[in-house]
Amino acid sequence: GENVEQHPSTLSVQEGDSAVIKCTYSDSASNYFPWYKQELGKRPQLIIDIRSNVGEKKDQRIAVTLNKTAKHFSLHITETQPEDSAVYFCAAVANSKLTFGKGITLSVRP
Amino acid sequence: DTGVSQDPRHKITKRGQNVTFRCDPISEHNRLYWYRQTLGQGPEFLTYFQNEAQLEKSRLLSDRFSAERPKGSFSTLEIQRTEQGDSAMYLCASSLEISGDNEQFFGPGTRLTVL
Repeated sequence: GENVEQHPSTLSVQEGDSAVIKCTYSDSASNYFPWYKQELGKRPQLIIDIRSNVGEKKDQRIAVTLNKTAKHFSLHITETQPEDSAVYFCAAVANSKLTFGKGITLSVRP
Repeated sequence: DTGVSQDPRHKITKRGQNVTFRCDPISEHNRLYWYRQTLGQGPEFLTYFQNEAQLEKSRLLSDRFSAERPKGSFSTLEIQRTEQGDSAMYLCASSLEISGDNEQFFGPGTRLTVL
């Protein structure tokens, strides 16, 4: 089955700096890669996604890149703000099954 | 609220008891998923339905767990003979699948504590 790994497990940045979260996946059949943000005690919420026929996608301060050959995908957050502090999960979908990474705790220092 | 809802939000039970959780998906969504999340981990897939058909179950799902979606709308997840290791947040999600996979919308979860 699919295995999604996420590095690092924690990340601390200064407000205004950029944050990059990297993930790898194992199943070449995966064709959809969503990123979820989960605040403490709340449900996961989609922030951006990318499909396997696209290499990059951007939405305001958030961008995602995908390298299918290397089975890598990354989340980029620019001009970080304290409200970006949360746990971020990458995920990969193969055969309609969503496999999550373990999550990264992002802390944005004011 | 037109999002995914789950009931109850919290459940405390004693080891060996049976529990049942309910999920109401977004009304037009044909797919419904169940996940389990423990502290410090990402949600772990348990099972999913397309309309009323259960299409896949995780190999990690023991035979104490059963899920139904009898009319293709709400779903129930039952855990029989609960064990302390079943303590977790149980998340439900739904999506509208027409062609290809699309965003899954998550409910608030049911937090289960087994004493």
